[in-house]
Amino acid sequence: SQQGEEDPQALSIQEGENATMNCSYKTSINNLQWYRQNSGRGLVHLILIRSNEREKHSGRLRVTLDTSKKSSSLLITASRAADTASYFCATGLTGTASKLTFGTGTRLQVTL
Amino acid sequence: NAGVTQTPKFQVLKTGQSMTLQCAQDMNHEYMSWYRQDPGMGLRLIHYSVGAGITDQGEVPNGYNVSRSTTEDFPLRLLSAAPSQTSVYFCASSRDSEAFFGQGTRLTVV
Repeated sequence: SQQGEEDPQALSIQEGENATMNCSYKTSINNLQWYRQNSGRGLVHLILIRSNEREKHSGRLRVTLDTSKKSSSLLITASRAADTASYFCATGLTGTASKLTFGTGTRLQVTL
Repeated sequence: NAGVTQTPKFQVLKTGQSMTLQCAQDMNHEYMSWYRQDPGMGLRLIHYSVGAGITDQGEVPNGYNVSRSTTEDFPLRLLSAAPSQTSVYFCASSRDSEAFFGQGTRLTVV
């Protein structure tokens, strides 16, 4: 399997705290993306970082990429209860999303 | 604009039965893909298409067939269902690097 690994597998924090999840992958990539999946629903694209970028921000999201270590991290600042979901990293070998390789996911629980 | 629509949402099959999972997108996306999601795992690619008439295998293609006769539709066929195919199936479409997912089909093979 070419799947990446994410850690932690599960994370429980209180509202207002920051959440950090990490992703490791195995091959050279064109880009790395993060998706959110609410329970029983499809995946929603959050943010994409290209292999020549090191850091990217979008609202309360900050993603970093270290291609030498084949790893990425997603930081969600000032978490809200609505952020409760599973988060997956996905790597693309090309500039298209036709063949994404997903990590195993981090389940985030944000409590009031 | 419905995005990516998958039908049915739930299905129970007996071992050996065949069925087709439907996927349609109304965004005129060139690329479409099928994934399966099993407990504790991320999504694994079954088959994908880079345009009408063009399909290729992903990581776990055995037991599944696909065709892409139109840009909008990308059905996934299970020829002879097996318990190992019990899973949640997701269809996705994309124009570039961002994938748009359907809500999934939960399939149980007994």
